[in-house]
Amino acid sequence: GENVEQHPSTLSVQEGDSAVIKCTYSDSASNYFPWYKQELGKRPQLIIDIRSNVGEKKDQRIAVTLNKTAKHFSLHITETQPEDSAVYFCAASRAGGSYIPTFGRGTSLIVHP
Amino acid sequence: ETGVTQSPTHLIKTRGQQVTLRCSSQSGHNTVSWYQQALGQGPQFIFQYYREEENGRGNFPPRFSGLQFPNYSSELNVNALELDDSALYLCASSRSQRDGNEQFFGPGTRLTVL
Repeated sequence: GENVEQHPSTLSVQEGDSAVIKCTYSDSASNYFPWYKQELGKRPQLIIDIRSNVGEKKDQRIAVTLNKTAKHFSLHITETQPEDSAVYFCAASRAGGSYIPTFGRGTSLIVHP
Repeated sequence: ETGVTQSPTHLIKTRGQQVTLRCSSQSGHNTVSWYQQALGQGPQFIFQYYREEENGRGNFPPRFSGLQFPNYSSELNVNALELDDSALYLCASSRSQRDGNEQFFGPGTRLTVL
């Protein structure tokens, strides 16, 4: 089955800095890669996703890049703000078939004001 | 708010008991997925229901079972509870199981097994 590794487990940055979270996956058939943000005590919320036919996607301060050959994808947050502090999860799945998403273990992002 | 609701919000059970958790999907969504999230971990996929049929199952034993109803709401049943079943149980609904449509998560049910 799919295996998703996520690094780092904790990331501490100063407000205004950039943050990068990386994930690797093992199943070359995976073709859908969402990123979720989960604030303490709240539900996960999708912040950005990318499909395997695209190499990069950007939404304001958030971007995701995908390298299919190396089987890794990354979340980039620029100009971080204290409200970006949360746990971020990556996931990989095969959209269109029997859907079994695999999540990474999460990255706790702390943005210091 | 996303519109996905779950009940109850918290539950305490003892080992060996059975539990039923409920999820109402967002309007217009026909697919419901269930996840187990242990403290400090990512969500683990349990199974997914699409139009009342199971469509994909993660690595969970048969004592984890589910149902989806004609209105697309869903139940997760866990028999013979074990201490390790203590976790946050999340359901998520989406418009279709195809194409990796965005999933909207419910607030979760916190299950504690003593």
